Amino acid sequence: EVQLLESGGGLVQPGGSLRLSCAASGFTFSSRDMSWVRQAPGKGPEWVSTIGGSGIGTNYADSVKGRFTVSRDNANNMVYLHMNGLRADDTAVYYCAKDRWLGVWGKGTTVTVSS
Amino acid sequence: DVVMTQSPLSLPVTLGQPASISCRSSQSLVHSDGTTYFSWFQQRPGQSPRRLIYRVSNRDSGVPDRFSGSGSGTDFTLKISRVEAEDVGVYYCFQGTHWPLTFGQGTKVEMK
Repeated sequence: EVQLLESGGGLVQPGGSLRLSCAASGFTFSSRDMSWVRQAPGKGPEWVSTIGGSGIGTNYADSVKGRFTVSRDNANNMVYLHMNGLRADDTAVYYCAKDRWLGVWGKGTTVTVSS
Repeated sequence: DVVMTQSPLSLPVTLGQPASISCRSSQSLVHSDGTTYFSWFQQRPGQSPRRLIYRVSNRDSGVPDRFSGSGSGTDFTLKISRVEAEDVGVYYCFQGTHWPLTFGQGTKVEMK
């Protein structure tokens, strides 16, 4: 069974940094793209970033480009989202999802950006 | 960016009756490899989104066969043949063909 477990969320001040982690299991991790999607309170999902299976190819939403960096550790089946320069409008539940086509989602981790 | 427009945004439904949601994209979702990377997601209250349909008409594992997807190019439809109580929630369409990947604004399905 495919499982994704996010961690690392919390309360951070504007301008601060945070690193989210996602532990994956139940599939051949290194052969699959992995994505991050966020959902602000009361809003629909917003795609954030996708990283290729090898870790070489990455894509970002314009709203996070230059501030967020996605990476992965295929030896330990982990994917990360490094978030810098956080703003109030980055407040959301952040989900890790399998593939570019979001076949399976985790339960999410909550990021709150507030002073 | 590809804009995904859903209708209706609110859909009151009756148990046992059919229901339908439409989604239109601002450009064709046919990828250069010939595949249309269009999906439907369901989000029940308090839960993570869950994919129901991928590549227009393929049901994900465990999805009841009362859910069906159809369409092509820029126009797509999700149909529920007979609504059940557990179908209440918000439904989102999604395109995975063009970067950036984009979602529709959501359709809230609730019991009349």
